[in-house]
Amino acid sequence: QVQLVQSGAEVKKPGSSVKVTCKAFGGTFGRYAVSWVRQAPGQGLEWMGGIIPLFGTANYPQRFQGRVTITADESATTAYLDLSSLRSEDTAVYYCARSGDGSGHYYSRAFDYWGQGTLVTVSS
Amino acid sequence: EIVMTQSPATLSVSPGERATLSCRASQSVSSNLAWYQQKPGQAPRLLIYGASTRATGIPARFSGSGSGTEFNLTISSLQSEDFAVYYCQQYNNWPPITFGGGTKVEIK
Repeated sequence: QVQLVQSGAEVKKPGSSVKVTCKAFGGTFGRYAVSWVRQAPGQGLEWMGGIIPLFGTANYPQRFQGRVTITADESATTAYLDLSSLRSEDTAVYYCARSGDGSGHYYSRAFDYWGQGTLVTVSS
Repeated sequence: EIVMTQSPATLSVSPGERATLSCRASQSVSSNLAWYQQKPGQAPRLLIYGASTRATGIPARFSGSGSGTEFNLTISSLQSEDFAVYYCQQYNNWPPITFGGGTKVEIK
């Protein structure tokens, strides 16, 4: 059984950075994509980008390019989300989620496992 | 970017009744469409992928239909545990992967 376990809640000042971790237990970590999805209070879901740990290549939507960095350590079965230049609008719950079929289809599959979420609060 | 539009925003249904949720894509996503259920304070849970295939452990009262740009999620007989927010998501054209704005199913 696959489980994604995320790091704990963070409180950050505007202009600072935050790093959220997502450790995978079970499954074959490198052969799936790990994405980050955020949800602002009372709002919907927003994809921030993802990575294929086997290759170390990340994909980002244009609106987050330059401010988001997603990395992974295959040996540690852990993915990381770095978000810089934080502003109040970045206050949200951040989820990691897995997609793929284990044999070459990474992002073209639904998110079958999700982490428990990490609340990041940006406040002065 | 493919825009996903869900309707209605809120659906009021009595327990035991049928609920039909809609999702429209701004361009064809083939059958690369998923539905998720989210309850307060929880992560989303995958219900349907490939537009119509139930994920592991999902009850048969949940069914998905459609292809191209028009999709539906039907809950045949609403149980108390089904009152939640439902999101559709396309994974056909990326980046970015995109979600609809959600439909809240509430008790009538």
